[in-house]
Amino acid sequence: QVQLKETGPDLVQLTQTLSITCTVSGFSLTTYNVHWVRQPPGKGLEWMGAMWNGGGTDYNSAFKSRLSISRDTSKSQVFLKMNSLQTDDTAKYFCARQTAMGVMDAWGQGASVTVSS
Amino acid sequence: NIVMTQSPKSMSISVGDRVTMNCKASQNVYNNIAWYQQKPGQSPKLLIYYASNRYNGVPDRFTGSGYGTDFTLTINSVQAEDAAFYYCQRIYNSPTFGGGTKLELK
Repeated sequence: QVQLKETGPDLVQLTQTLSITCTVSGFSLTTYNVHWVRQPPGKGLEWMGAMWNGGGTDYNSAFKSRLSISRDTSKSQVFLKMNSLQTDDTAKYFCARQTAMGVMDAWGQGASVTVSS
Repeated sequence: NIVMTQSPKSMSISVGDRVTMNCKASQNVYNNIAWYQQKPGQSPKLLIYYASNRYNGVPDRFTGSGYGTDFTLTINSVQAEDAAFYYCQRIYNSPTFGGGTKLELK
């Protein structure tokens, strides 16, 4: 059974760094790409970046300077790290699996993060 | 960067009605479009891929169409459980989502 689960802090202080872990099961990170998507409260979905199955990464240019995505294949984990957090980074952060068809067919339940001053 | 624009932003219809929502790409994306449904408090769920193919288990009242820059998601005979947000997405590299359409039931 394919599963993804995000774990991270509920609250992050202004200007600090956010770290979220996506732990996957039921598939291999060396076969599928994993993406990060966020959703501010009451707003739409925003693609943040991806970890390719070959180990490379891609980032939305809106985040490129402060976002880093990495992985540990031995633990089936993908990591999101974003620095210099602002209040408009308050959002639910999802990880999602991308298939060879290019679509995101499985999503985690999301990690809700509030940036507080 | 490709921009995906969805319309309308919201719509209110009755159970049993037929509804059509639109997604426009700022440049040709061929048939590289997916549609997702998201209910409050839930993760998005894949409905349609390659513009017109229903994903596993998606009821046949959901139909996608279009090619190039203009795409449509149609729901025939809307059911109460279809109340949700619907997002189009340009798929593959650097995927981009539309702003979403909120479907409410009267």
